Amino acid sequence: GQNIDQPTEMTATEGAIVQINCTYQTSGFNGLFWYQQHAGEAPTFLSYNVLDGLEEKGRFSSFLSRSKGYSYLLLKELQMKDSASYLCAVPDSNYQLIWGAGTKLIIKP
Amino acid sequence: ETGVTQTPRHLVMGMTNKKSLKCEQHLGHNAMYWYKQSAKKPLELMFVYSLEERVENNSVPSRFSPECPNSSHLFLHLHTLQPEDSALYLCASSLQRAGVDTIYFGEGSWLTVV
Repeated sequence: GQNIDQPTEMTATEGAIVQINCTYQTSGFNGLFWYQQHAGEAPTFLSYNVLDGLEEKGRFSSFLSRSKGYSYLLLKELQMKDSASYLCAVPDSNYQLIWGAGTKLIIKP
Repeated sequence: ETGVTQTPRHLVMGMTNKKSLKCEQHLGHNAMYWYKQSAKKPLELMFVYSLEERVENNSVPSRFSPECPNSSHLFLHLHTLQPEDSALYLCASSLQRAGVDTIYFGEGSWLTVV
């Protein structure tokens, strides 16, 4: 079956770097999505990886290893506004997104 | 104006009430979705509409009834809900089916059943 695991909560310091991991098990692979969700707001798209490697987008980067069923989201130069939940999702064989429970990131001054 | 708008943002209803959640997308997308989000749980897909036809119904209780009159509008009709149905209900849309295309969410409707 399909399964996604990500840590429940992480804490980091303003200005630092944090890595949020996501491991997945799926019968097929059609890419992996990362979304950011601030408290009380809609999830917003951050990145989509379908090939192995690191994709950089400003302060945020996303890495994928298909052979290991593993991805991470790397956030650099953390800002207070980065405090949010980060959701990992992969499509199943029917292209229906399977979601992780999200990682709540707390940024401290 | 945001791409996907939901109303109302907050709703409190009794277990015998009938209410509806409304969603409208301004992105020209062909697929629309209802998700349920409960605290510390993964997003749960409830319904998928593609070109106004329901293509997924993930064992959702019949007290939730979706309606998609056209590709821009989606409703979720609620009746005789239970307290455990209290959650954030998110509408979303994508150009084609999610998993192929990025999905865009509305800000959600917070539902409390008393």
